[in-house]
Amino acid sequence: QVQLQESGPGLVKPSETLSLTCTVSGGSISSYYWSWIRQPPGKGLEWIGYIYYSGSTNYNPSLKSRVTISIDTSKNQFSLNLSSVTAADTAVYHCARGLMGCSGGSCYPDGFDIWGQGTMVTVSS
Amino acid sequence: QSVLTQPPSASGTPGQRVTISCSGSSSNIGSNTVNWYQQLPGTAPKLLIYSNNQRPSGVPDRISGSKSGTSASLAISGLQSEDEADYYCAAWDDSLNAWVFGGGTKLTVL
Repeated sequence: QVQLQESGPGLVKPSETLSLTCTVSGGSISSYYWSWIRQPPGKGLEWIGYIYYSGSTNYNPSLKSRVTISIDTSKNQFSLNLSSVTAADTAVYHCARGLMGCSGGSCYPDGFDIWGQGTMVTVSS
Repeated sequence: QSVLTQPPSASGTPGQRVTISCSGSSSNIGSNTVNWYQQLPGTAPKLLIYSNNQRPSGVPDRISGSKSGTSASLAISGLQSEDEADYYCAAWDDSLNAWVFGGGTKLTVL
């Protein structure tokens, strides 16, 4: 079955760029959209953004100026770059596969059916 | 402050039925489908409900979802100790052009 695995540094210095990669195994990265979602310690979930397999992206307006998500279909991977990080960016970062529902000829985002286990990233000097 | 509003906590005894509410607005729940996730301690969220009331394969039918207007609910019947977890609702928001989540509800099985 499809599995997702995040990888990247667990510690990032303030003002630097957080970079994570999600590797998709057991299936193709094509025909779905792929998201990053984070969860600060003891807090709730926050959607960061998604990328479609074609390369089109959509970012959370609150993070848009600092976020870039890219995809490498040849490696079955997609990546997150978050620039100018502060302590507020300390969180568990999950990658997730997005579902699309379709009805009456139109399609719409309909949740996240497969999640990576998450990777803790701490922003500290 | 989360865009979707959930009660911070809920509880029940084994065998009981509990419901968790999720309140939104016309730009999110009112116009789009609702999902529900279960998060056990130290694990990734798991999709419980999509398209308001559909269960992925493997989710038992004692778990159900519903939506009315700008609110949604998750119901768990025949409560079991393994249901003790955090539950989150989510929906796409057309005004924000973003996914939004509820703040989460911690379910305790007494």
